Parts: sequence; C-alpha cells; structure tokens
Amino acid sequence: GAVVSQHPSRVICKSGTSVKIECRSLDFQATTMFWYRQFPKQSLMLMATSNEGSKATYEQGVEKDKFLINHASLTLSTLTVTSAHPEDSSFYICSARDQGEPQHFGDGTRLSIL
Amino acid sequence: RKEVEQDPGPFNVPEGATVAFNCTYSNSASQSFFWYRQDCRKEPKLLMSVYSSGNEDGRFTAQLNRASQYISLLIRDSKLSDSATYLCVVILTGGYQKVTFGIGTKLQVIP
Repeated sequence: GAVVSQHPSRVICKSGTSVKIECRSLDFQATTMFWYRQFPKQSLMLMATSNEGSKATYEQGVEKDKFLINHASLTLSTLTVTSAHPEDSSFYICSARDQGEPQHFGDGTRLSIL
Repeated sequence: RKEVEQDPGPFNVPEGATVAFNCTYSNSASQSFFWYRQDCRKEPKLLMSVYSSGNEDGRFTAQLNRASQYISLLIRDSKLSDSATYLCVVILTGGYQKVTFGIGTKLQVIP
C-alpha cells in the first residue's frame, strides 16, 4: 500500500524555537497534502491543504505566518512551526493523496514545547 | 450543527458481538466518504471507502445513505484487536478540497 513518511516522530524543544516537520510520499505522487493537528482526546483538525506548486489553503483560525507550509514537489511537503510556544504542543499528522485516491497518513510528529 | 457528527462512545462490546457505528454529515454536496481506524497515540489508517452500493471487506461493512446523510460501519464477530477509535471522514470537492473528520467512536472489545 501507499507509504507516507513523516519526520521527526518526536520533538522536544524550548519555547521560541522553530520546528520543521517533513512529510514524504514514498511510492506515489502526492498531488495534495494535508496537515492536521490533534490534541489529546480530540479529533483530527485540518490545518491546511496544499497542492504541489501552489500556496497552501489554511483553515479558519490557523495562522499562516505561524505555520509555514511548503509543497515544492510531488513527494515532499514541510510544515514549519515558527517561534513555537507551549500551546503549540500537539500531535501533528500529515497525509497525502493522489487524485481520486484516499488519503494516506504519516506516522505523526509529537511536538512538546517546554 | 457540526459538519460531521459521531457518537464518541465508548462502545464496550464482548468478543464475537456485532457492533455498528453511524456518522452523520450536514453538507448534502459531500462526495467522498471513508472510515479510518486510529489506535491510541498513533496515526489514522484507512479502513475502507464508503459507497452508495455498500462496501464489504471481511467482517467489516460500510454503507452510505445519501438521503439521510449518514454513513455506517458494521463490524461482525468483534475481535479484541478491533479495539480502537473509528473516524469517519467526509470530503467535499469544490474550489478546493475540504476534508472533515468526525471526532471518532471509541470501541473496546472485551474478552
């Protein structure tokens, strides 16, 4: 089946640090990639949708200057949490899909900001 | 009304039981539907797509009812390993794709 690799799986860093998370589709072309955030005991919340070569579309309430998304190729998207603070601590998951296909998820990144 | 609603449960069922979950959606223009399974502190994994004609995969059956705007998941002969949270996903395709997850229904299969 389709494989999506997300890296790193765990990040612990100090407040004010910027953190970059990578999401790669390993065996298919990801025309669309999604970034989600999940707080404990809550559902996945879509943060943004990105199509290769285009600017990401952010969901309401998600600061685009805070969460920088780059989808420069059909196999790679990155999410950078700029100047992270403790309230940004969460489980971040990416997913990728090719046209007409279901999404496949990365393993997720558990971000802890001290 | 929420765009996608699920009963969060938990549903506690004995091994071997049949259990069914529903998920309602508010936008009648929604086009694609899926069930995902999420284990604790892990990423969601695709369980199955949902079609109007129904979709069966072993012990799992998914149905879509467009008239009443809900999808369902039926699990027969529950196994301990079925214990997880089941998320429904509704996709609306327009100017850009809108993906909405339900909160998930927690299933606990008891020995």
